[in-house]
Amino acid sequence: EVQLVESGGGLIQPGGSLRLSCAASGFTITSNYMTWVRQAPGKGPEWVSVIFTGGSTYYADSVKGRFTISRDNSKNTLYLQMNSLTAEDTAVYYCARGAAGPPYYYYMDVWGIGTTVTVSS
Amino acid sequence: QTVVTQEPSFSVSPGGTVTLTCGLSSGSVSTNYYPSWYQQTPGQAPRTLIYSTNTRSSGVPDRFSGSILGNKAALTITGAQADDESDYYCLLYMGNGIWVFGGGTELTVL
Repeated sequence: EVQLVESGGGLIQPGGSLRLSCAASGFTITSNYMTWVRQAPGKGPEWVSVIFTGGSTYYADSVKGRFTISRDNSKNTLYLQMNSLTAEDTAVYYCARGAAGPPYYYYMDVWGIGTTVTVSS
Repeated sequence: QTVVTQEPSFSVSPGGTVTLTCGLSSGSVSTNYYPSWYQQTPGQAPRTLIYSTNTRSSGVPDRFSGSILGNKAALTITGAQADDESDYYCLLYMGNGIWVFGGGTELTVL
């Protein structure tokens, strides 16, 4: 069964750092592009970052320069390193698998259950 | 900055048909944006409904369909059921590794 399980969320003070993990099972993360999506309380989802199969990474403007996406192929795990956190980063963070290709249809086909990050003093 | 627009809310009667749309603050949505649609209920992760404009994801009932209507992507629910009451989000691929979600539509079935 294909599954994504996020961890690493919690309460963190403004200016702090946190690393989220997403453990994948049932597939190999290097076979798909992998993304992070977040959802602030009462808001819609916001795409955050992607790592493509070849290793290229991209970020939403709201997190560029502060967040870093990476993966550990040996652990089949995706990460999101978050630095300089502010209250605006408070959200549920979802790991989502990009649908495999080619052809590429540029959508997310498997979602984790999410991990909650709260930035507050 | 690109804004993806959706109706904030919509209401449909049980058994009725409703079309939700997904537009751009500037320009038209085409298949080149690979529009996809997601359903979300409170406390749950999004569920993929439609991808590449009009392809249903595995297990999605055929009462859900996607299309391009004019200059927008559209999600049509034909024969709405009570458990279709959810939030619906579109997602557009802007190219160059960037995606943007719409603000979502809260659908009420009553």
